[in-house]
Amino acid sequence: EAGVTQSPTHLIKTRGQQATLRCSPISGHTSVYWYQQALGLGLQFLLWYDEGEERNRGNFPPRFSGRQFPNYSSELNVNALELEDSALYLCASSADRVRTEAFFGQGTRLTVV
Amino acid sequence: QKEVEQDPGPLSVPEGAIVSLNCTYSNSAFQYFMWYRQYSRKGPELLMYTYSSGNKEDGRFTAQVDKSSKYISLFIRDSQPSDSATYLCAMTDDYKLSFGAGTTVTVRA
Repeated sequence: EAGVTQSPTHLIKTRGQQATLRCSPISGHTSVYWYQQALGLGLQFLLWYDEGEERNRGNFPPRFSGRQFPNYSSELNVNALELEDSALYLCASSADRVRTEAFFGQGTRLTVV
Repeated sequence: QKEVEQDPGPLSVPEGAIVSLNCTYSNSAFQYFMWYRQYSRKGPELLMYTYSSGNKEDGRFTAQVDKSSKYISLFIRDSQPSDSATYLCAMTDDYKLSFGAGTTVTVRA
């Protein structure tokens, strides 16, 4: 069974540009979570999607947004990139909202120059 | 105060020792508890999942949950150099999956 897949693996953008990160959950999983992990820091919660709806949002500015598609895949958009947005962006999926195990992808490393 | 507190370490132990990790939390709505292992620059890997107070064992790993004290633990027996990683506790209510800061563990050969 395929795990959570994220693309691209690495992304280099210039300050002010937009970045789009993609996540495909495990087959049968309907919830997708996005986290930011800056170098040396813990996982900061960004967004939670379940059944196509945004269910919860972390303490990030509105330029961080996303969506979940009918096939439960998801994308995270970051507008007006700033240097401090450079981080590992992790996606996780679970089968039953937050009540079951959440499995992570390998992440997208975003570098803003 | 953070919802989930975890000592960042670092923790260094000799090969074969028992590694003891723990987290405390303040939100009594947390019902499900997980431990993840994260190697450098990789995604976290799920190690253990529990949803009730008590112990759960899986190979060399034992997870303990004490909901009355809002305290969870992970024990790694017969630790190996390959166990060197950052260990993250995580817990959920119905609205979010919250993580501790992670404890960096080094097992010395």
